[in-house]
Amino acid sequence: AQSVSQHNHHVILSEAASLELGCNYSYGGTVNLFWYVQYPGQHLQLLLKYFSGDPLVKGIKGFEAEFIKSKFSFNLRKPSVQWSDTAEYFCAVSPTSGGSYIPTFGRGTSLIVHP
Amino acid sequence: EAGVTQSPTHLIKTRGQQATLRCSPISGHTSVYWYQQALGLGLQFLLWYDEGEERNRGNFPPRFSGRQFPNYSSELNVNALELEDSALYLCASSLALVSSGSNEQFFGPGTRLTVL
Repeated sequence: AQSVSQHNHHVILSEAASLELGCNYSYGGTVNLFWYVQYPGQHLQLLLKYFSGDPLVKGIKGFEAEFIKSKFSFNLRKPSVQWSDTAEYFCAVSPTSGGSYIPTFGRGTSLIVHP
Repeated sequence: EAGVTQSPTHLIKTRGQQATLRCSPISGHTSVYWYQQALGLGLQFLLWYDEGEERNRGNFPPRFSGRQFPNYSSELNVNALELEDSALYLCASSLALVSSGSNEQFFGPGTRLTVL
């Protein structure tokens, strides 16, 4: 079974600071990778996803993530955060074979951006 | 296009009672997933239904059950409620089961269940 680890549980930044949220997974096979975001009072929505090809994927609102297969990592980055980025961020991993395609989610990282 | 809808928004029950939560997927989506989001624990997978069949279930006791109807909507039932069942229950839907596992999930707003 796969597992997902998000190292930062709480992150507090000032506007314009750079952001990097860590995500590591453990699984022996090929995977699809996702970052979801949950803004205050809103439901979970997809930020970006990696299925194959270029390991650097770009998502909405200036976010990007890089899949480093050798490190089993899929870190989320944004060069300059805004107050509106305050939200809960979840990394998820889904196997692409073996019969169980259920994404496993990390525990989430709470990001607070001060104006 | 309407998103995933869930009802009720909030549900308050007492210990030992039963709770029924409902989910309507996006039109055209045949897979429905249920997750429990308890504070600080992230999303814990509960159940996955596709084409009316239960395809997989997470590490939860049998008092968590559900079903999927012919119109692909779904119900989650929790029997003999316990205090620790208090959580946000999220439903997600995706397109038909595909071998690649590349199903992007679309989430509903959740049902907040409080057990007193």
